[in-house]
Amino acid sequence: GESVGLHLPTLSVQEGDNSIINCAYSNSASDYFIWYKQESGKGPQFIIDIRSNMDKRQGQRVTVLLNKTVKHLSLQIAATQPGDSAVYFCAENRGNAGNMLTFGGGTRLMVKP
Amino acid sequence: NAGVTQTPKFQVLKTGQSMTLQCAQDMNHEYMSWYRQDPGMGLRLIHYSVGAGITDQGEVPNGYNVSRSTTEDFPLRLLSAAPSQTSVYFCASSPEREHGYTFGSGTRLTVV
Repeated sequence: GESVGLHLPTLSVQEGDNSIINCAYSNSASDYFIWYKQESGKGPQFIIDIRSNMDKRQGQRVTVLLNKTVKHLSLQIAATQPGDSAVYFCAENRGNAGNMLTFGGGTRLMVKP
Repeated sequence: NAGVTQTPKFQVLKTGQSMTLQCAQDMNHEYMSWYRQDPGMGLRLIHYSVGAGITDQGEVPNGYNVSRSTTEDFPLRLLSAAPSQTSVYFCASSPEREHGYTFGSGTRLTVV
């Protein structure tokens, strides 16, 4: 799902399947990107980050891919679990000194048992 | 190590009232920010600070003031509350520029 805009797209997956959440960022000067997970009633939680000099970074069950040519970011979650159900946000740091993060609109991931 | 602590968790204000949302972090982070999150939307930056004594405006600063007299504290002041400021407010901190922010658990504010 796209991150920009007022609507919250929803991705529904079966438990055990892989999930891919997409994000389009807007500023070609952005050089640092983060994915956050937000569960209901809680603050965003850091998942994984990537710098613009990389195109892929892997964590535990998660992979972030960065395509600077088309300004696209994706989060892949392997073997999705019910605990992965949440809203996922991408955020971009627009290359400024103040570490200002600009967030996308989010994608809701629902995991079906 | 408590991380980022926000108080209060819930608040109801009448239009025109003022109040201060508190934020404290015990991680010695230089960078701190305030965001607001409206229903079904992402987070929008209100104000941020890159160190004690230094603050700057984000995307939606109108109606809010901040100060950063110490590294630990970054209070957000609502000068004259309006219904449009009904939202969930998150404070966050980071040790350096290319590092993910740690968020507090939020303050849910309703202005009636």
